[in-house]
Amino acid sequence: KNEVEQSPQNLTAQEGEFITINCSYSVGISALHWLQQHPGGGIVSLFMLSSGKKKHGRLIATINIQEKHSSLHITASHPRDSAVYICAVRSLAGTASKLTFGTGTRLQVTL
Amino acid sequence: GAGVSQTPSNKVTEKGKYVELRCDPISGHTALYWYRQSLGQGPEFLIYFQGTGAADDSGLPNDRFFAVRPEGSVSTLKIQRTERGDSAVYLCASSYSSGNTDTQYFGPGTRLTVL
Repeated sequence: KNEVEQSPQNLTAQEGEFITINCSYSVGISALHWLQQHPGGGIVSLFMLSSGKKKHGRLIATINIQEKHSSLHITASHPRDSAVYICAVRSLAGTASKLTFGTGTRLQVTL
Repeated sequence: GAGVSQTPSNKVTEKGKYVELRCDPISGHTALYWYRQSLGQGPEFLIYFQGTGAADDSGLPNDRFFAVRPEGSVSTLKIQRTERGDSAVYLCASSYSSGNTDTQYFGPGTRLTVL
């Protein structure tokens, strides 16, 4: 079992829909990251969370440390949101700086 | 105001050859990370530098892989006797330091194809 699990693996939505991507992890963490990766492009950091909730524009990220679960929400989705969204954690064990990644959620938003 | 850059962007090589992949981190960033991303997967940690030294190389898959950062800035990932299974996108990231609150900034990656 991977340390970081994401669901769904693939998601298709129509423009304007509210989207939720989930991330569960099995280790103690110091921080959780949500990242965005466009096809053929680099990775951009969206959020870093250690507790609670953060909001940036139409994106909202929440984390529940006790349940080892985080969600990324996109409100009023748009085709430009189409990308792979990756959850990554900084484990408390070992080298705290390295990230352990989920396999990503591929989001396609259509008109 | 350059971000993290990686060269080459694409590398095609034959099985058994030696390759070098280069990463230029953001100026002033002391921490540098190498990750590998296979098709359809999330990135996997390879090695992490704090300054010139490799603080954690536990992700290197075997002794064919080696990385250096001699002056604490540019890093080179070296792969000897390449195998088809080494084909992947190799990502580099840097951060100001290695603290838990430091954001890692990723380069565009080098796509390595071993024929």
